[in-house]
Amino acid sequence: SSDLTQPPSVTVSPGQTATITCSGDALPNQYVYWYQHKPGQAPVLVIFKDTERPSGIPARFSGSSAGTTVTLTISGIQAEDEADYYCQSEDTSGTYVFGSGTQVTVL
Amino acid sequence: QVQLVQSGAEVRKPEASVRVSCKASGYTFKNYAIHWVRQAPGQGLEWMGWINAGNGNTKYSEKFQGRITMTTDTFATTVYMELISLRSEDTAVYFCTRDEKVLVGDSHYWYLGLWGRGTQVTVSS
Repeated sequence: SSDLTQPPSVTVSPGQTATITCSGDALPNQYVYWYQHKPGQAPVLVIFKDTERPSGIPARFSGSSAGTTVTLTISGIQAEDEADYYCQSEDTSGTYVFGSGTQVTVL
Repeated sequence: QVQLVQSGAEVRKPEASVRVSCKASGYTFKNYAIHWVRQAPGQGLEWMGWINAGNGNTKYSEKFQGRITMTTDTFATTVYMELISLRSEDTAVYFCTRDEKVLVGDSHYWYLGLWGRGTQVTVSS
């Protein structure tokens, strides 16, 4: 599975939109999963299969995909969304990889 | 209660080895794979590998090939991760995590849904 590149940090004001990209050469052939990770807590899945939102995840979280880049969008961001976000994919051999992670600051 | 309980913190010297355990409870142990993920200080999540608790098959990240071994004890419903030839860069919190399945129509997708609380491993001379 190839490397997944994310921006190190994103800073947005409350109520604005945060956009986090995840780029990788293999992504046209692999689904991406997005995890929210807060300090001292277990990571939580917020998007799977590039664009699907699990039950219980607020509608302000959405995903999109275009070629080698997959994007997580948090619309109308709230203070509680401040966290690290990781994309993750799996190749056909069962190898997983995490993106480099993006620290989202709501300020 | 469905949970993964990990062993306590470990301190090792360089070149030593460490074994971290992850005890599963509250579900049918053999039905799921367990992954190991680590997070070094100030760094991101790093996937290390998985083990199929049903048949013992493993898949390791290329980065750890030759240094990592994952095993299971079915009777104890416990998964072990051993890392050898430790170096300072292996200082990290090590998490075990279990596959979870989400259904969309007739298809299912696996993600890392159940996590242990993490085990701090410190490598220092």
